[in-house]
Amino acid sequence: KNEVEQSPQNLTAQEGEFITINCSYSVGISALHWLQQHPGGGIVSLFMLSSGKKKHGRLIATINIQEKHSSLHITASHPRDSAVYICAVRPGSNYQLIWGAGTKLIIKP
Amino acid sequence: EPEVTQTPSHQVTQMGQEVILRCVPISNHLYFYWYRQILGQKVEFLVSFYNNEISEKSEIFDDQFSVERPDGSNFTLKIRSTKLEDSAMYFCASSEAGYAFFGQGTRLTVV
Repeated sequence: KNEVEQSPQNLTAQEGEFITINCSYSVGISALHWLQQHPGGGIVSLFMLSSGKKKHGRLIATINIQEKHSSLHITASHPRDSAVYICAVRPGSNYQLIWGAGTKLIIKP
Repeated sequence: EPEVTQTPSHQVTQMGQEVILRCVPISNHLYFYWYRQILGQKVEFLVSFYNNEISEKSEIFDDQFSVERPDGSNFTLKIRSTKLEDSAMYFCASSEAGYAFFGQGTRLTVV
């Protein structure tokens, strides 16, 4: 069983739509990261969460520690948001991140 | 904005050759990491490094891999005798207070 599961695997939406990407995990964690990977392969950290909610521009990330679930929302989506969004968790006091498989998001104009 | 830089961006090497992937972490960061992503697969943890020594490593990080911080700025990953299955994107990251910054990656192709 995968320790980090993301859904959906693929998501295509029209520009302006509200986007939700989900992440569930099965291990105890000290933090959860949302990252963005562009077609060229580069990875950018978007959020690091250990509780509650964070907002940055049009991006919102929430986490429910009891339910072992996190969501990434994009408001007023734009074609430049097209990328793979990856959830990764930091188990306990470990340094490593365990990565989800990613959600490939395509926003059509 | 501070950034992690990796060189080269793409390296092609023959099977059995040694390769060194280089990373310059963010200057005041203390934790360094290598990850890899085989084409079409998840990103996988290789190793973490703190205080000039390995703090954790995965099963992937066997004896053919080594990491070094040869000076105050560079952080290198060496693969001693490359295999075809080492072909992947290799990402370096550095962190302080848990928030990780990633380099753009080195695409290693073993032929």
